[in-house]
Amino acid sequence: QSVLTQPPSVSAAPGQKVTISCSGSSSNIGNNYVSWYQQFPGTAPKLLIYDNDKRPSGIPDRFSGSKSGTSATLGITGLQTGDEADYYCGTWDSSLSGGVFGGGTKVTVL
Amino acid sequence: EVQLVESGGGLVQPGGSLRLSCAASGFTFSAYWMSWVRQAPGKGLEWVANIKQDGSRIYYVDSVKGRFTISRDNAKNSLYLQMNSLRAEDTAVYYCARLVQRQTYDYWGQGTVVTVSS
Repeated sequence: QSVLTQPPSVSAAPGQKVTISCSGSSSNIGNNYVSWYQQFPGTAPKLLIYDNDKRPSGIPDRFSGSKSGTSATLGITGLQTGDEADYYCGTWDSSLSGGVFGGGTKVTVL
Repeated sequence: EVQLVESGGGLVQPGGSLRLSCAASGFTFSAYWMSWVRQAPGKGLEWVANIKQDGSRIYYVDSVKGRFTISRDNAKNSLYLQMNSLRAEDTAVYYCARLVQRQTYDYWGQGTVVTVSS
């Protein structure tokens, strides 16, 4: 049972948009910044979004992040087959004094 | 180029020990917090531990407290995870990650596999 809650899967056709939600509480998302990671099977995670809505260099602007209250959202526009992967949100939990992740969301391009 | 290379994984019996290492290059290792994150087979990511630049502050997930020890050697640009009293539920790929502000992992190693089984 993950501290942060994500939908297990989302899907859409190529070129469409998907959003992935990440729900937490005041001890984590509500008072800390959120980051998002992309992971392909058998490979290490890769940073996609940090500080809620910032993209590292090299990450296309098709990927966006936002936060409101105790929830965060990752958006992917112009969906491509190469976007099929697992996506994780993460943050710090001040009550646990530790890092926390969502359970992960598998994106499928129909 | 930032590189993190883990080693030391393997098959160990329940109750046994392993020491994981992470060799860092391409950045000033001593200037960054570092983390271990693990992923059990078919499961999601789980944060394991953080260590401050000089080792003066350390945090662990509750499930490994008293069994795992994170440490670093800045002179050798290396991060370690000593794992004792291993359990089947510790079976996972263990990743070393560089930690930047606000619990963001900006670089990850390729991972090392730990299997705890008799």
